[in-house]
Formats: sequence, structure tokens, C-alpha cells
Amino acid sequence: GAGVSQSPRYKVAKRGQDVALRCDPISGHVSLFWYQQALGQGPEFLTYFQNEAQLDKSGLPSDRFFAERPEGSVSTLKIQRTQQEDSAVYLCASSGGGDGYGYTFGSGTRLTVV
Amino acid sequence: GENVEQHPSTLSVQEGDSAVIKCTYSDSASNYFPWYKQELGKGPQLIIDIRSNVGEKKDQRIAVTLNKTAKHFSLHITETQPEDSAVYFCAASFIQGAQKLVFGQGTRLTINP
Repeated sequence: GAGVSQSPRYKVAKRGQDVALRCDPISGHVSLFWYQQALGQGPEFLTYFQNEAQLDKSGLPSDRFFAERPEGSVSTLKIQRTQQEDSAVYLCASSGGGDGYGYTFGSGTRLTVV
Repeated sequence: GENVEQHPSTLSVQEGDSAVIKCTYSDSASNYFPWYKQELGKGPQLIIDIRSNVGEKKDQRIAVTLNKTAKHFSLHITETQPEDSAVYFCAASFIQGAQKLVFGQGTRLTINP
């Protein structure tokens, strides 16, 4: 596609519920990144894939967070047993060259945990 | 790890005037410094970036300068227009390393007509 597509755009979850957030990167892009953006803050790194390999997951806040990219294209970020502090915008970005330059971000998924 | 500080947090300028946003970084190994513009309800959009082997880069009304010795870099917007109003983020990364971007806290720029 022309850009990075994320779905859903908005998600309201009850505390304790599991959620799955989807990212469709730009076709052919090797690198895929997930970031978390709290209200009024800059994005914070969660995890990074090069093709299907998850090369860095150092930013995942707890073992409730899990990301996958099984075929090297679409990625899913899963959050188990959501808590109020998980409320944020989750941004996905992709980069074509596998070198980390020139990310293109999607519009994000706004998660609200009530 | 890397830490990026960004100032000011808010900036208001008259249309046509210039705006300057400054960032400092802590890790001397960082070698890639992009700037992003984020409008309400949208993801960050890359507007300009600079690599550590150059000191300045310009693209029409936007320029970025980098001082590696002092570990700071700045965004300059000239002849500001109302559509420049947005939140701007600086970031730093060590390419060939972790490839993750470390972002500043953002600057809300308002252009007054």
C-alpha cells in the first residue's frame, strides 16, 4: 500500500481484557518498529523486526506485551490482561532498506483501558 | 542509554517569522538525527534528517544544524505559515546499532496569523 496502515484506529478495552493491534507496513519494507506514545509525550520504542526476526524487544514494558511478524510483512502487537497504564497510542513504523533510516509511521491505534 | 532533551516545550511565533527548536543528546555514538512533525490524530511525519558526517542540511524553508562536539542539533523553520502549526519531535539513533529512535518530549509550535 501507499503508507503504513494500522487497525483498529481506536480500541476501548476493559481492564483485564486481551487486545491485538495490527500493522500493515509499506509493501516490501524490511524493517518494522512498534512505539508507544503516551499523551503529551514523545514515542517510546517497544520492539523491532527485520523481516520475520524480532531483533530487539528491549522496550516491551512487561511480559504481557508480545509482538510477532510471522511472514515478514503484517505484524501484530498483543497486550494481555490490559491495565490502565497501557492506555496510549501505539505507533507502527516501517523502513525499506533495513538500515533504520527514514521511518514511515502509521496513524496509530489509540488504546483506552477502562 | 541515549537520552534526548528538547526545548522549548511550546513555541508561539507570528506568521512569517522564524522558529527554532533545540535538542541535546547524551550518547556520542548516535549518528542519525531525524525531525518529525505530528498533527493531531496522525502519526509522526519525517520532515528532515541529518547524519553525523554533515553539519547542516536544508530543504526549502526547513534546515537542521548539528554540533557533534556539543551534542546538540536544531531545527530552523523560516517564513512560517499557519500549516506549520503542529508538534515537532527530534530523535537520535545509532544506525548500525540498535536502530531504535530515542525521541525528545516534543515542541508544540503555534503560528499566529
